[in-house]
Amino acid sequence: AQRVTQPEKLLSVFKGAPVELKCNYSYSGSPELFWYVQYSRQRLQLLLRHISRESIKGFTADLNKGETSFHLKKPFAQEEDSAMYYCALSGGGSNYKLTFGKGTLLTVNP
Amino acid sequence: DAGVTQSPTHLIKTRGQQVTLRCSPKSGHDTVSWYQQALGQGPQFIFQYYEEEERQRGNFPDRFSGHQFPNYSSELNVNALLLGDSALYLCASSSGGGTASWGEQYFGPGTRLTVT
Repeated sequence: AQRVTQPEKLLSVFKGAPVELKCNYSYSGSPELFWYVQYSRQRLQLLLRHISRESIKGFTADLNKGETSFHLKKPFAQEEDSAMYYCALSGGGSNYKLTFGKGTLLTVNP
Repeated sequence: DAGVTQSPTHLIKTRGQQVTLRCSPKSGHDTVSWYQQALGQGPQFIFQYYEEEERQRGNFPDRFSGHQFPNYSSELNVNALLLGDSALYLCASSSGGGTASWGEQYFGPGTRLTVT
């Protein structure tokens, strides 16, 4: 079974502070991990995926297979980062199911 | 390109009725996935359609069925509606060929279904 856990429902930081959104997963094979984001009154959109190893809007995420984690990090949070963030997992291969966590609502205060 | 479109935006149905939700994928995409998102939860995978076939299904009863048309648009049908089916239904499209591309999904705005 594939499972994604985001332990924090809410996360509040001040502008300029570092931010880390936690994601842990459970999957027996080699998964693909994603972070999706939903800004206020916008649709869900892909933020980044672990295989691309890109930094998007200053966010990075490293896949740690030993700890089965894929935490999202940004060194200096901005007010426009306030949004709902979802971690998601795909099994890869012929497993097309995308499993989402429950999400973390990030609020960046001025 | 309008991206992924869904209709209707909102829908109110009575318990026991049937409902059909519609989705048009982003231009160039041939794969459509459907998700149910209950309040306070992440999206839950219902099924995925590719080449007019259901390619994979999540843990949803047979009351949930779908269809994909030759133009890649898709429908989600739910029969014998229950109060617990009240949720936001999201459609997402992607390119079907290979896992490297299908995982990047483009979501529609959703259809809010209320069952009374």
